[in-house]
Amino acid sequence: EVQLVESGGALVQPGGSLKLSCAASGFSFSVSTMHWVRQASGKGLEWVGHIRTKANSYETTYAASVKGRFTISRDDSKNTVYLQMNSLKTEDTAMYYCARVLFGLDVWGQGTTVTVSS
Amino acid sequence: SYELTQPPSVSVSPGQTARITCSGDALPKQYAYWYQQKPGQAPVLVIYKDSERPSGIPERFSGSNSGTTVTLTISGVQAEDEADYFCQSIDSSGTYYVFGTGTKVTV
Repeated sequence: EVQLVESGGALVQPGGSLKLSCAASGFSFSVSTMHWVRQASGKGLEWVGHIRTKANSYETTYAASVKGRFTISRDDSKNTVYLQMNSLKTEDTAMYYCARVLFGLDVWGQGTTVTVSS
Repeated sequence: SYELTQPPSVSVSPGQTARITCSGDALPKQYAYWYQQKPGQAPVLVIYKDSERPSGIPERFSGSNSGTTVTLTISGVQAEDEADYFCQSIDSSGTYYVFGTGTKVTV
């Protein structure tokens, strides 16, 4: 079964850091570009960024709202993609999803909740 | 920054046709994708590359592109189609992904 499972969400204070993980199974992870998408409660979807494959030098691209604060990485030996979030702001509070891109974002995880509050 | 604009809501009776539009300047050059999201669930891809349907998605879901506007059509709407729908594309540079503002479909 093709599956993505996120973990690591938590309550964190403004200015703090948090690292999310997304474990993949059931498909060839190492040749898949992986994305992070977030959704604040009751709001729309917001693309966070993505990481390409080894063949594409693990190139990363980020939305302007997170560039310089968030870093996406991956460990192909563990079939896992990560989202390191630094200098967190209250507006980063959201459900964070990882997703695979094949023809569109065709596989999504169930999400993990990040709350930034004092 | 690039934006994709959708109507906030569409209301349709069971068995009727729902049409959801998505407008963006780069849509003539970039494919559009559509996602369905039900409360408390992750989004599900229902249309890719403007008009292609993934396996497992009912035939009543279809997509079309007419320049700067793409349309998701749900023919013979069923109660289970009540959900939020988001379009998604990429900016003209081909670098940044963007989601539409979302449309709530009420059946």
